[in-house]
Amino acid sequence: DVKVTQSSRYLVKRTGEKVFLECVQDMDHENMFWYRQDPGLGLRLIYFSYDVKMKEKGDIPEGYSVSREKKERFSLILESASTNQTSMYLCASSTAYGYTFGSGTRLTVV
Amino acid sequence: SQQGEEDPQALSIQEGENATMNCSYKTSINNLQWYRQNSGRGLVHLILIRSNEREKHSGRLRVTLDTSKKSSSLLITASRAADTASYFCATYDNYGQNFVFGPGTRLSVLP
Repeated sequence: DVKVTQSSRYLVKRTGEKVFLECVQDMDHENMFWYRQDPGLGLRLIYFSYDVKMKEKGDIPEGYSVSREKKERFSLILESASTNQTSMYLCASSTAYGYTFGSGTRLTVV
Repeated sequence: SQQGEEDPQALSIQEGENATMNCSYKTSINNLQWYRQNSGRGLVHLILIRSNEREKHSGRLRVTLDTSKKSSSLLITASRAADTASYFCATYDNYGQNFVFGPGTRLSVLP
């Protein structure tokens, strides 16, 4: 069964900490994405990648960076976590025929 | 950027009734997809309809697409309590490789 795996379901971090959210897919997809989801705002694209070592900014990249050293792994990095980054984070990989999403990481920054 | 917009934002129905959700978008598309998200979980792909298709069925789901009106609808027939979830449309445009998601419709099916 193909899947996208996010390393943590729930995470609590302190303001100012550096936070790593990991995502691994086993479908050999080239395209991978990080979204955040907030009530009333839907899904907003943070960063995406179409290939290894390639990254592009989405709609809300400020305060985030990403790393894609291997095709199957796409990491989201919060350089210095802030309370306004408390959110549900969803990783996905895709072809033109659809996305496969991970189960999400609910991050709380205190 | 273009955006799928679902309508209504929230819908409550009784078990056994049909639920209809609508999605509008702004630019020409390659395909449109519907996803379901149960509370606190990731999104699950339900159905894809291509721009040259007008209607598609999958089990209790029926999706229509009207490219002249830039709109789509998702019909869930004979709803069940387990259908309670948020439903999102996503459009895949002709110019890029990204999907754009709308804010979703929150469906509550009451027993």
